[in-house]
Amino acid sequence: GESVGLHLPTLSVQEGDNSIINCAYSNSASDYFIWYKQESGKGPQFIIDIRSNMDKRQGQRVTVLLNKTVKHLSLQIAATQPGDSAVYFCAEDASGTYKYIFGTGTRLKVLA
Amino acid sequence: NAGVTQTPKFRILKIGQSMTLQCAQDMNHNYMYWYRQDPGMGLKLIYYSVGAGITDKGEVPNGYNVSRSTTEDFPLRLELAAPSQTSVYFCASSSNGDRGYYGYTFGSGTRLTVV
Repeated sequence: GESVGLHLPTLSVQEGDNSIINCAYSNSASDYFIWYKQESGKGPQFIIDIRSNMDKRQGQRVTVLLNKTVKHLSLQIAATQPGDSAVYFCAEDASGTYKYIFGTGTRLKVLA
Repeated sequence: NAGVTQTPKFRILKIGQSMTLQCAQDMNHNYMYWYRQDPGMGLKLIYYSVGAGITDKGEVPNGYNVSRSTTEDFPLRLELAAPSQTSVYFCASSSNGDRGYYGYTFGSGTRLTVV
């Protein structure tokens, strides 16, 4: 069935470097995407979203890029900090009814 | 603070026992959801509700039941608990998009172990 997947299960980054977390989605009809951050023992927390009529959106230290041609989503974190260590999920709204499909997640480890 | 409140945070059940996971939100959200998250895995949708009195099955509904008698509350019922239901359960609610943000607000989760 339609699903959202991630290329890298674990990403280790040196503190201060930029991080890039990737996500592939399979439903070309999806029109809304969200990145979530989940810290250990907590629920997922919204980071940034993007609609399909955009190819880039920036937040504070984070940027989401959407490439609809290859159905690829990425999350860029600038100047990665120890507090960025978490699991990151992408999610797509494939039906327009707010039922999001989540990927399995990428664990980001920030090295001091 | 406004948000989604889940209780209990932890629970150990014996096989065959039943329990109700509570979820309440005070943001006047119409949409509410229950997800389960197995170790090292993503979230799978169990049940969802688009408003009081309306519920529908998600991807993995077997072994669970829900009700939505009020906008605020969305309890999840486990009948005849099985080891396969050992997981972390997250409740979430969704805004109606009037701020242009359609994502979820999640609760802090209930960690359930069935032995």
